[in-house]
Amino acid sequence: GEDVEQSLFLSVREGDSSVINCTYTDSSSTYLYWYKQEPGAGLQLLTYIFSNMDMKQDQRLTVLLNKKDKHLSLRIADTQTGDSAIYFCAESNISNFGNEKLTFGTGTRLTIIP
Amino acid sequence: DAGVIQSPRHEVTEMGQEVTLRCKPISGHDYLFWYRQTMMRGLELLIYFNNNVPIDDSGMPEDRFSAKMPNASFSTLKIQPSEPRDSAVYFCASSWGSLRGLNTEAFFGQGTRLTVV
Repeated sequence: GEDVEQSLFLSVREGDSSVINCTYTDSSSTYLYWYKQEPGAGLQLLTYIFSNMDMKQDQRLTVLLNKKDKHLSLRIADTQTGDSAIYFCAESNISNFGNEKLTFGTGTRLTIIP
Repeated sequence: DAGVIQSPRHEVTEMGQEVTLRCKPISGHDYLFWYRQTMMRGLELLIYFNNNVPIDDSGMPEDRFSAKMPNASFSTLKIQPSEPRDSAVYFCASSWGSLRGLNTEAFFGQGTRLTVV
């Protein structure tokens, strides 16, 4: 079955880069996503990458995909206090019923050190 | 649109009681998802609907859990009887189209924090 793994915690100094890593098992995933959850809120889509891409950049965010190793990472440049949140990696895949569903990792809690 | 609306935001109930969580998806979205978030298990998909029809309920933990979507603008998740291990944050999300491609972002509600004592 599908499985998405992330480390639970990451602490970074303000102004440094944050790198959040994720591994997944389903090689048939066509899209991989990063969602952000701020305190007391639901998840919001941050960015996504199509599986035939190696990299996607969007302002301070860089997504790297190593499809061979099934490894996805999110880099946040110049990390700010507003980046404090839980970041979820997710893959879309086909369920046992032939329909598509998102499988989320456990989330990485990013803490910014002033 | 106000986004996905869940109610209540917080629920505290005693073990054995029935709990009903409610969700109003974004108008026009044809997919609705129920997720559960705990520290130990992270975010788990419980069930999802397409055009009000349950498609995949393999994530529903046991028969105590049931979900309905009587129309395109309303869904409920019911736990009967509730147990302390059901304590979690329950999220509803909706999307248009399937979960691939540019127009397939899942929009989440703010969640219902359930505590069963």
